[in-house]
Amino acid sequence: DTGVSQDPRHKITKRGQNVTFRCDPISEHNRLYWYRQTLGQGPEFLTYFQNEAQLEKSRLLSDRFSAERPKGSFSTLEIQRTEQGDSAMYLCASSVPTRPYEQYFGPGTRLTVT
Amino acid sequence: AQKITQTQPGMFVQEKEAVTLDCTYDTSDPSYGLFWYKQPSSGEMIFLIYQGSYDQQNATEGRYSLNFQKARKSANLVISASQLGDSAMYFCAMREEPGNTGKLIFGQGTTLQVKP
Repeated sequence: DTGVSQDPRHKITKRGQNVTFRCDPISEHNRLYWYRQTLGQGPEFLTYFQNEAQLEKSRLLSDRFSAERPKGSFSTLEIQRTEQGDSAMYLCASSVPTRPYEQYFGPGTRLTVT
Repeated sequence: AQKITQTQPGMFVQEKEAVTLDCTYDTSDPSYGLFWYKQPSSGEMIFLIYQGSYDQQNATEGRYSLNFQKARKSANLVISASQLGDSAMYFCAMREEPGNTGKLIFGQGTTLQVKP
């Protein structure tokens, strides 16, 4: 396994459409994190999973956002009724509980809402 | 509330010279972790170095070292012998230890440009 992968790398959508992103963590990593990064800013925490359980959600994650990790492996992040303010880079990271400081990031999905 | 501050939006350094990127943090928790990540133009966040709040010695990883001054709440990154490939955005981050969630709080970043 070469690392965390994310798909797609880029997504352009029209306002009001739904989009879904996928993250595949490193295979033995049971923790998975989603972050959002807007232009010129540092990433902001959105949510995280330990195995299939979603343990914490940021208040940044409005009702239009939902994340799942059904089998404790890959995760999806869905945004419903996209708004222009959703335009950002969505980063996924994974780690193991015994070494939570070694958080490995994927290449990100850049979302542009027109 | 925990906070990370990076006051240098952009830095220039001559190739082969050393450069220091500043980071200050604020937390009331006695146990925390501090990180530096590199983000090249490709977008991927690359882990560089980690310092635990109880670590007695400053962390080092190859050309990277972390100048940890706990009383001043600063965790500056020192890159020695800069290379052209070091040109990137650099983020300082902090992890909350209580609760062991692992989630990171990032600063706004510093853009480093290495001149040949």
